[in-house]
Amino acid sequence: NAGVTQTPKFQVLKTGQSMTLQCAQDMNHEYMSWYRQDPGMGLRLIHYSVGAGITDQGEVPNGYNVSRSTTEDFPLRLLSAAPSQTSVYFCASSYEGTGRAYGYTFGSGTRLTVV
Amino acid sequence: AQKVTQAQTEISVVEKEDVTLDCVYETRDTTYYLFWYKQPPSGELVFLIRRNSFDEQNEISGRYSWNFQKSTSSFNFTITASQVVDSAVYFCALSEHRGGADGLTFGKGTHLIIQP
Repeated sequence: NAGVTQTPKFQVLKTGQSMTLQCAQDMNHEYMSWYRQDPGMGLRLIHYSVGAGITDQGEVPNGYNVSRSTTEDFPLRLLSAAPSQTSVYFCASSYEGTGRAYGYTFGSGTRLTVV
Repeated sequence: AQKVTQAQTEISVVEKEDVTLDCVYETRDTTYYLFWYKQPPSGELVFLIRRNSFDEQNEISGRYSWNFQKSTSSFNFTITASQVVDSAVYFCALSEHRGGADGLTFGKGTHLIIQP
């Protein structure tokens, strides 16, 4: 089925380790974004991309890097994991759709624990 | 800067009662887009509705209805005759771009508990 695929679904890291959260979409959407969800905080935007080769920072970008070499993929990199990065991460894609029924498509999330 | 406020952290009602979830937003743009998402206990985010700032007509979809009031910067969500399956966290969100190119600004969510 078409949609947004995130891998892995669960991950445990040690402080200081690096890793990449993968996000891929097969809907040819222009826009992609990463969010983190923490208890009582809602979802907060980390980074977003308006197309291949173009990325920008969101509300909470520190500690995370992104790149977008293709329309389909938008990986999120943690260079040196910290316990404060323990969270659930969601990737989303969208395009300039019209009509009331249009909305973002979210992946199923990655639950990351940093110990 | 844009902001979304969901003042109700948690609401608990008995099944079949009507319930309204409040959403108040702030934006400097005259054109913007408002969303509601549902997050059931399984954790996925389920899209419910998108509303454009220039379309003030209220929306009804089955037991769900949305009341958009530009004058009070509110976009409230009502569930009529609630059911246990409606138990979830509900998020209101805002984008100043039609395609959401610059991402969504979310409220902190309202945890809705429907008791049988």
